[in-house]
Amino acid sequence: DIQMTQSPSSLSASVGDRVTITCRASQSISTYVNWFQQKPGKPPKLLIFAASSLLSGVPSRFSGSGSGTDFTLTITSLQPEDFATYHCQQSFSTPYNFGQGTKLEIK
Amino acid sequence: QVQLVQSGAEVKKPGASLKVSCKASGYTFSNYGLIWVRQAPGQGLEWMGWISAYSHDTNYAQKFKDRVTITTDTSTTSAYLEMRSLKSDDSAVYYCARDSIHGGNPFPDYWGQGTLVTVSS
Repeated sequence: DIQMTQSPSSLSASVGDRVTITCRASQSISTYVNWFQQKPGKPPKLLIFAASSLLSGVPSRFSGSGSGTDFTLTITSLQPEDFATYHCQQSFSTPYNFGQGTKLEIK
Repeated sequence: QVQLVQSGAEVKKPGASLKVSCKASGYTFSNYGLIWVRQAPGQGLEWMGWISAYSHDTNYAQKFKDRVTITTDTSTTSAYLEMRSLKSDDSAVYYCARDSIHGGNPFPDYWGQGTLVTVSS
């Protein structure tokens, strides 16, 4: 199985900051990575698929990059509604495992 | 609009079985797959398995292969997750999600609201 290692596990930032979350795959997975945002008590919400494709309706301050084993989710100019937990997922081979999540908190 | 509506919370005893439903609407059901993902309290997301609503082909995570069955009913546009021999560490929120594909890359784009399952004696 392919393991996804996400870092950091938690992160404190302020409104207006730029933050980057990283996901590393245990083997090369091309660009088969998806990113999700999850708020407490809610289901995950898809932000980015195929490593860098922004889902329609998702603000352009969110972006994804990477290929092979290393991937990043970047949020520029953090907004109050962005404080949440973020998950990466590989969709290269089943089981389509998720990273352990990154909790983004207000500083 | 696409909606996935799941059945309500369940409380089960260890060793019991569970069946969670996921009613889909707002899209052509047989054109997409569906996945099930669970999340234990305070933990990350765990991919359990996938089903094609067209062919009924399934793919399960090895961890769940012996205890889980995923099915769909095209006549009611519903998917089901059955789990047997429940243990306390099966206590989690269970989500269904529609599985889309773009350029060969699958991704779950719409999610149900989640079903809380508590396994306790």
